[in-house]
Amino acid sequence: GQNIDQPTEMTATEGAIVQINCTYQTSGFNGLFWYQQHAGEAPTFLSYNVLDGLEEKGRFSSFLSRSKGYSYLLLKELQMKDSASYLCAVTNYGGSQGNLIFGKGTKLSVKP
Amino acid sequence: NAGVTQTPKFRVLKTGQSMTLLCAQDMNHEYMYWYRQDPGMGLRLIHYSVGEGTTAKGEVPDGYNVSRLKKQNFLLGLESAAPSQTSVYFCASSYSASLDRDNEQFFGPGTRLTVL
Repeated sequence: GQNIDQPTEMTATEGAIVQINCTYQTSGFNGLFWYQQHAGEAPTFLSYNVLDGLEEKGRFSSFLSRSKGYSYLLLKELQMKDSASYLCAVTNYGGSQGNLIFGKGTKLSVKP
Repeated sequence: NAGVTQTPKFRVLKTGQSMTLLCAQDMNHEYMYWYRQDPGMGLRLIHYSVGEGTTAKGEVPDGYNVSRLKKQNFLLGLESAAPSQTSVYFCASSYSASLDRDNEQFFGPGTRLTVL
């Protein structure tokens, strides 16, 4: 089967660091995406991991452990504008389709 | 470039009515997708297309039909709308099937559909 788990909601304080976890079980795996989605808007691409380790891009970092089926998104120096939902998605190749399997998303609220 | 656009942005239907949602992309992408997003359910794939003239079923295809007559357009049809189809519908596109940091899925702004 295929399953992606991430916390439903998280709250953090402006200026702090927050880590959003994602665990996955899929029959095939070829990479993991993180998307950001502000309320009422489209998801936008944040990061991609295919090899074990940490990928850093400004205030955002993403980590992957393929052996553990685990990823996290780390947001540093939180800003109010980081209040959004964060979607973990796994690529699953069955044949030639480039399909993504999404988790249910983590709604992050940043408080002053 | 406009990226991925969707028409309409909002729509209210009565049970049994039909409608078509239009998705257009100007990035020359081969792959296009239709998702629905419901509270507590995340994004779920309805149908997708790997190229002009081809379509395939996703995770939740029942009650929907699609067509890809032109490479840049992907249409989602509801033949007889039901309240269970109340949702936010997102279209997405990608250059190819090999998704990575240089080839991600780009999403449109969404269509909010309410079926009474």
